[in-house]
Amino acid sequence: DTGVSQNPRHKITKRGQNVTFRCDPISEHNRLYWYRQTLGQGPEFLTYFQNEAQLEKSRLLSDRFSAERPKGSFSTLEIQRTEQGDSAMYLCASSKWSHRGMRTEAFFGQGTRLTVV
Amino acid sequence: GENVEQHPSTLSVQEGDSAVIKCTYSDSASNYFPWYKQELGKRPQLIIDIRSNVGEKKDQRIAVTLNKTAKHFSLHITETQPEDSAVYFCAASGASGSARQLTFGSGTQLTVLP
Repeated sequence: DTGVSQNPRHKITKRGQNVTFRCDPISEHNRLYWYRQTLGQGPEFLTYFQNEAQLEKSRLLSDRFSAERPKGSFSTLEIQRTEQGDSAMYLCASSKWSHRGMRTEAFFGQGTRLTVV
Repeated sequence: GENVEQHPSTLSVQEGDSAVIKCTYSDSASNYFPWYKQELGKRPQLIIDIRSNVGEKKDQRIAVTLNKTAKHFSLHITETQPEDSAVYFCAASGASGSARQLTFGSGTQLTVLP
């Protein structure tokens, strides 16, 4: 499968625990995005990377949320001290972008569904 | 930042009829407008997109129109089929700054009745 891959697909955790999700983008894509989607809503932007640089993180929902892309390939999203309101689908997407502004569409992964109990 | 409004939130049509979903955006710097289809429990998948240098784009039964002056764009599906039933999201993004990421509308649940 050469698409965007996310793991795990489902995660159930107790309130207060930390969770980490992984995203493997399409290999030649230099941009990687994290979105959160709650039931009945469109994906909500959280953060994105161009290669290993995190270019936008002001939309991360709180300081409990952090993301990394250390080698410019896969990325992780960590939520510390989870709360019930964090329950949602976390989507990753990737695209190819050049300095001339040319880009491919954003391809989404299947998402990680988080349930905080 | 960008704000995208999408209407209607639900839409039911008879098989064979047309469906139209409309979106407005707030940031005049936005220049890329994709539409995604999301079936229940699945990932959003791009069905068509349009850039600001064109006013209309068509792909078989699907077309998108863009009015940059009014800052709105629409999705048109003709000859609808039951498999078109899904949630459709519009989105907008720009080329610089905080507009680089996609900002999504709230979605339209399309139901095609056989």
